Amino acid sequence: EVQLVESGGGLVQPGGSLRLSCAASGFTFGTYWMTWVRQAPGKGLEWVANMKEDGGEIYYLDSVKGRFTISRDNAKNSLYLQMNSLRVEDTAVYYCGRGWAEIDFWGQGTLVTVSS
Amino acid sequence: DIVMTQSPDSLAVSLGERATINCKSSQSILYSSNNKNYLAWYQQKPGQPPKLLISWASTRASGVPDRFSGSGSGTDFTLTISGLQAEDVAVYYCHQYYHTPRTFGQGTKVEVK
Repeated sequence: EVQLVESGGGLVQPGGSLRLSCAASGFTFGTYWMTWVRQAPGKGLEWVANMKEDGGEIYYLDSVKGRFTISRDNAKNSLYLQMNSLRVEDTAVYYCGRGWAEIDFWGQGTLVTVSS
Repeated sequence: DIVMTQSPDSLAVSLGERATINCKSSQSILYSSNNKNYLAWYQQKPGQPPKLLISWASTRASGVPDRFSGSGSGTDFTLTISGLQAEDVAVYYCHQYYHTPRTFGQGTKVEVK
């Protein structure tokens, strides 16, 4: 059974940092693109970043470029999102998902709240 | 960026009746070299992550009931729920993966009338 479990969310002040993790199981992690998608409270879905199987291609939403870094450790079946210089508007549930095209499996998400 | 616009924002349908959700992209998401439309549909119930329903505009994901169907090509797409069930109450999103950044529609809330 495919499982994606996010962790690392929490309350942080504007300008602060957080590192999100996504632990994958039930599939060969190193053979899939992986994606981060966020959802602000009561709002729709927003794609954040994705990364190729071997890390050779990485893409970001313009508003997070230079502040967020996606990475992965295929030996640990894990995906990460390092988030620096956080802004109030980054407040959201962050989901990790499997796939380059459609996202066929999603984690339950982790809530990031940026507030003073 | 490709803008995805769904209509309506919400709709109420009687149980057993048809629900139709439209999604329009600001540019074609049909890739001519393989004749595939780079579009997916997701269902999201309250407090849950999205669930993939349809990929490539019309291919149902594994385990998705056949009352869900996707159609359309180019810039205009439709998700149809033929015979609404109580468990179909949710928000539905379209999603283009033709171009980066990937973008989603704003969502359509489906309720029971």
